[in-house]
Amino acid sequence: GAGVSQSPRYKVAKRGQDVALRCDPISGHVSLFWYQQALGQGPEFLTYFQNEAQLDKSGLPSDRFFAERPEGSVSTLKIQRTQQEDSAVYLCASSGPQLTDTQYFGPGTRLTVL
Amino acid sequence: QKEVEQNSGPLSVPEGAIASLNCTYSDRGSQSFFWYRQYSGKSPELIMSIYSNGDKEDGRFTAQLNKASQYVSLLIRDSQPSDSATYLCAVIGTASKLTFGTGTRLQVTL
Repeated sequence: GAGVSQSPRYKVAKRGQDVALRCDPISGHVSLFWYQQALGQGPEFLTYFQNEAQLDKSGLPSDRFFAERPEGSVSTLKIQRTQQEDSAVYLCASSGPQLTDTQYFGPGTRLTVL
Repeated sequence: QKEVEQNSGPLSVPEGAIASLNCTYSDRGSQSFFWYRQYSGKSPELIMSIYSNGDKEDGRFTAQLNKASQYVSLLIRDSQPSDSATYLCAVIGTASKLTFGTGTRLQVTL
């Protein structure tokens, strides 16, 4: 595709609900990253895939956060039992195979937990 | 100490002036450095990448890297109102992760 796409663009959840955020990377990009960006802050790394393998999940804040990329293309970030502190913009980025390759960001999903 | 530090601003410069944005990082083993621009409500977009000490120029933008001082800067010449945005410094350190600063908000005034 032309760029990284994410859906939904906006999500409002009640505290305790589960949410699923989708990322469709640039075609051919083997690396996919998820970031969390709180208001007024820079993006914070959550997790990284190379193809279908999740190589680093050290940034996931708790076991309520889970990410997958089963076929090495589309990825889903799932948050179980959402809390108010989960409110943020969730950004997905994709790149070529080297970690130094430029990461291209999607438009993000703004999650608001009430 | 934060891994990547930036002054949050706002940095206000008049149209046509040079804007100077600065960033320091703590991981001495870092090898890759990036400047991203982020307009309000939008996602980050890459402006410059730099890997070697010295200057790298691209149009009105110049990135400067000094690994000994652990310092990266971005100069924007002939600043335009459309340059008004938040500029994020990002570094790939020894943990092989892209780590961002909090960003510097730039305002270019008419």
